[in-house]
Amino acid sequence: NAGVTQTPKFQVLKTGQSMTLQCAQDMNHEYMSWYRQDPGMGLRLIHYSVGAGITDQGEVPNGYNVSRSTTEDFPLRLLSAAPSQTSVYFCASSYGQTFSDGYTFGSGTRLTVV
Amino acid sequence: DAKTTQPPSMDCAEGRAANLPCNHSTISGNEYVYWYRQIHSQGPQYIIHGLKNNETNEMASLIITEDRKSSTLILPHATLRDTAVYYCIVHSGAGSYQLTFGKGTKLSVIP
Repeated sequence: NAGVTQTPKFQVLKTGQSMTLQCAQDMNHEYMSWYRQDPGMGLRLIHYSVGAGITDQGEVPNGYNVSRSTTEDFPLRLLSAAPSQTSVYFCASSYGQTFSDGYTFGSGTRLTVV
Repeated sequence: DAKTTQPPSMDCAEGRAANLPCNHSTISGNEYVYWYRQIHSQGPQYIIHGLKNNETNEMASLIITEDRKSSTLILPHATLRDTAVYYCIVHSGAGSYQLTFGKGTKLSVIP
């Protein structure tokens, strides 16, 4: 099925561990992004990419790295997990700058850092 | 992007129209109004967007006032599955990649 696939759906990490959240889309979308959502709050942009080989920081980039080696994949790396990174992470993609078709979001990764 | 103001919560009877308001008084000429919704624990879902004219698709209708300072999302026949948080977002698109999600409106559809 076409869409945005995120793995894993759930993850528990210990403080200081590193991990990679995976995001893949099969819609040939140029634009991909990562958001985090904390309880009772809206989504905040972490990093985004406008195409393969191009990434940039969003509103809350500290503690996260990204790369975009292919159009389809946009992994998010937590370098050294902290309890403040406990959140729900959403990956989103869109066809282009005008976002005329809207963003397509994945189902999320629920991360707990203990 | 311009800021938006939405009521924190609304109720709607099942089968009736749900009218969700949004104020965006500082919207500029090249900014679109987008609506997304988030059903519990799921990723946000795109609903509709518009610039000046009213828009309709299979999910909803979007009514934008002539001065573009406010808009209303209309779900014509609300069902229990429409219970969700609805986000109104103003976004110019070109050159700006961040969608600013506020706290939205929690719509509860009541049987």
